[in-house]
Amino acid sequence: KAGVTQTPRYLIKTRGQQVTLSCSPISGHRSVSWYQQTPGQGLQFLFEYFSETQRNKGNFPGRFSGRQFSNSRSEMNVSTLELGDSALYLCASSPGGTALYGYTFGSGTRLTVV
Amino acid sequence: EDKVVQSPLSLVVHEGDTVTLNCSYEVTNFRSLLWYKQEKKAPTFLFMLTSSGIEKKSGRLSSILDKKELFSILNITATQTGDSAVYLCANSAYSGAGSYQLTFGKGTKLSVIP
Repeated sequence: KAGVTQTPRYLIKTRGQQVTLSCSPISGHRSVSWYQQTPGQGLQFLFEYFSETQRNKGNFPGRFSGRQFSNSRSEMNVSTLELGDSALYLCASSPGGTALYGYTFGSGTRLTVV
Repeated sequence: EDKVVQSPLSLVVHEGDTVTLNCSYEVTNFRSLLWYKQEKKAPTFLFMLTSSGIEKKSGRLSSILDKKELFSILNITATQTGDSAVYLCANSAYSGAGSYQLTFGKGTKLSVIP
């Protein structure tokens, strides 16, 4: 059974650019959540998608957005990149759409903004 | 604001030692407490605790939740160098619209030396 797949693994972007990250959840999982991990703040919740709808959003500026497709794959986009956006972005999928089932994380995308 | 506090932030032990990692939380609409192990990228799931006083075990690892005092501990007995990792505690809380959100602590970095 394939795990959660995130692409790309590494990314280097320049301030002001935009970036799109991709996440393919475990087959059959309908909930996808995104987290940002930095050394200072730890893991912080960005948003959750379930059946193509954003159900929840964390305290991040509007430059951070996402979407989910009918096959449950999800993308997140960050526009007008800032140096502080450098982080490990983790995607997690859940079978039942609730955290009562636990989440399986992908290996993340390491974004560096220069 | 929901909060999860882990202690200690870092710990260095010798192989064979027993360690106890602590996690306290303040959260509304609590549903479950989760422990993850993060070695390089993807946090891997260890335990999910929903009921107070019931210990969960997996090999040398065990965890228990106290919902009255709002804390959980993760015990690792007979530590091995392979246990070296960051251990993350997360609280799952209902955030409306069928969505559950994980709030993570900053983690405890465990280093096991031979």
